[in-house]
Amino acid sequence: QSALTQPRSVSGSPGQSVTISCTGTSSDFSDYNYVSWYQQYPGKTPKVIIYDVNKRPSGVPDRFSASKSGNTASLIISGLQTEDEADYYCCSYPGAYVIFGGGTKVTVL
Amino acid sequence: EVQLLESGGGLVQPGGSLRLSCAASGFTFSSHAINWVRQSPGRGLEWVSAINGNGQSTIYADSVRGRFAISRDNSKNTVYLQMNRLTSDDTAVYHCTRWINYYDYWGQGTLVTVSS
Repeated sequence: QSALTQPRSVSGSPGQSVTISCTGTSSDFSDYNYVSWYQQYPGKTPKVIIYDVNKRPSGVPDRFSASKSGNTASLIISGLQTEDEADYYCCSYPGAYVIFGGGTKVTVL
Repeated sequence: EVQLLESGGGLVQPGGSLRLSCAASGFTFSSHAINWVRQSPGRGLEWVSAINGNGQSTIYADSVRGRFAISRDNSKNTVYLQMNRLTSDDTAVYHCTRWINYYDYWGQGTLVTVSS
């Protein structure tokens, strides 16, 4: 159960798009498709922004989108805004355990 | 309003034990799985353990299996995490979370510090 692999940091200017990858083993991503993404601001608890691979909870802007292909899940933030500067974590539940990614710090330049 | 409130954290010596509690309110407690997720200072999220709604099914991360035990008392709307043989690697804020195939609610967490 090693953490899913995410880039330590990504950055972009306001209005640009950034993509965060989340890579694991074939055991980490199953047909359950229980892949979720969380946004965390410093000193705050994580907030879900994507669930079931590509679904957005109500209230989450549609500039957040996600997908999964094979052993890699991806989060795309389109039209980057200053308030998107935060840490982002992927999470997968393949059935016997839950595993998080190591986290990615998004910086808005 | 859904609320999860952790308690029981503190300073403990290596090799010691602690029992964390998570008191839930605002939802039908016995219908939901509850997980513990920890976060070390300045580090990422790490899943620890999960228990299903009726308490009959539990799972653990490899890093804590055999040392930690999760349980629940649905009459008290409370989940527990018994932590034994603690090491410095267990130092973290421990959050209880509600699981509905993703984590929709998080408690604020309780800090566990393992140090001599």
